Amino acid sequence: SQQGEEDPQALSIQEGENATMNCSYKTSINNLQWYRQNSGRGLVHLILIRSNEREKHSGRLRVTLDTSKKSSSLLITASRAADTASYFCATDAGGNKLVFGAGTILRVKS
Amino acid sequence: DAGITQSPRHKVTETGTPVTLRCHQTENHRYMYWYRQDPGHGLRLIHYSYGVKDTDKGEVSDGYSVSRSKTEDFLLTLESATSSQTSVYFCAISESQGGPGELFFGEGSRLTVL
Repeated sequence: SQQGEEDPQALSIQEGENATMNCSYKTSINNLQWYRQNSGRGLVHLILIRSNEREKHSGRLRVTLDTSKKSSSLLITASRAADTASYFCATDAGGNKLVFGAGTILRVKS
Repeated sequence: DAGITQSPRHKVTETGTPVTLRCHQTENHRYMYWYRQDPGHGLRLIHYSYGVKDTDKGEVSDGYSVSRSKTEDFLLTLESATSSQTSVYFCAISESQGGPGELFFGEGSRLTVL
């Protein structure tokens, strides 16, 4: 079964708007990661946040982690058409295994 | 880009035939993974390897076997393909110690079982 579940399943916004995606998970984690997947391509790592961190930034990306609620959010500010992709959260499942959620499909309209 | 090559990239086969997918890396990373991606399920881990000849099962390992005889190659074998194994298969590598770090993914292998 999946550890992380993303919400919403799909999101459509205008260029320049912010996009927020959420991830909930079930068990304790060491870290949580976010990945992007462009259509027909492999996944690309965006950001990793450790369990003792609450917020992390990378360019236009902001990730928050609330371990008490077992949830994380990914905020993309000032979105661009090139941000159109699927976004996945992933959590550790023991050892060096990562478990992925079903993803959020983001469409940015220009 | 991380040096990961998957082959074949596309394959159509018939039910009951054996299929082997190959993942080749040039990064000398210790950990290698095989995932399958299906609509509505995201990525699901099939098998992974933590060293040469060291492998372990993931959440959807039934019907699949793997082998890793060299650091750079991780093979995924479907002994007798079924239609339910129609999917896109992704290989990933990682070098992180002490817990999963960043995974680098290949471009995927699309398998259709008729």
